[in-house]
Amino acid sequence: EVQLLESGGDLIRPGGSLRLSCAGSGFTFSNFAMSWVRQAPGKGLEWVSAISATGDNTYYADSVRGRFTISRDNSKNTLYLQMNGLRADDTAVFYCAKVPLPGISNPRFDYWGQGALVTVSS
Amino acid sequence: DIVMTQSPESLAVSLGERATINCKSSQSVLYSSNNRNYLAWYQQKPGQPPKLLIYWASTRESGVPDRFSGSGSGTDFTLTISSLQAEDVAVYYCHQYYMTSTFGQGTKVEIK
Repeated sequence: EVQLLESGGDLIRPGGSLRLSCAGSGFTFSNFAMSWVRQAPGKGLEWVSAISATGDNTYYADSVRGRFTISRDNSKNTLYLQMNGLRADDTAVFYCAKVPLPGISNPRFDYWGQGALVTVSS
Repeated sequence: DIVMTQSPESLAVSLGERATINCKSSQSVLYSSNNRNYLAWYQQKPGQPPKLLIYWASTRESGVPDRFSGSGSGTDFTLTISSLQAEDVAVYYCHQYYMTSTFGQGTKVEIK
């Protein structure tokens, strides 16, 4: 059974940094691209970033480019999202999602984690 | 970016009746070289993550009941629930993955 477990969500002050992790199990993690999708409270879904299976290729939404960095450690079956320069409008539940392919050119998401809440507030 | 617009924002349907959700993209998500529409549908129940229902506009994900179906091509797509069940109460999102990734704003389905 595919499982994705996010961790690292917290209350953080504007301008601060936070790193989210997502541990994958039940599938060969190194064979699949992964992504982060966020959902602000009471709002819809916003794609944030994606990374190819090997980690060689990454994509970012304009809203986070230059502030967020996606990475992965295939030896640990773990996906990361380093978030710097956090703003109040980054407040959201962050989901990690599995892509059913190794590449990230056209990412759809077949499995999602339960999410990690990031609250940016002073 | 490709903008996805769903309609209606919400709808209330009687149990056993049909529910229809529309999704329009600001540009075509049909890739001519493989004739595939890069369009997916997700279901999100309260307090849960989204669940993939449909991809390639009309291919049902494994385990999804056959009362869920997707149709359309190019820029106009539809998700149909043929006979609404109580467990189908949720918000439904369309998603284009033709060019990076964008979602519609969601359609809330309730029981009338």
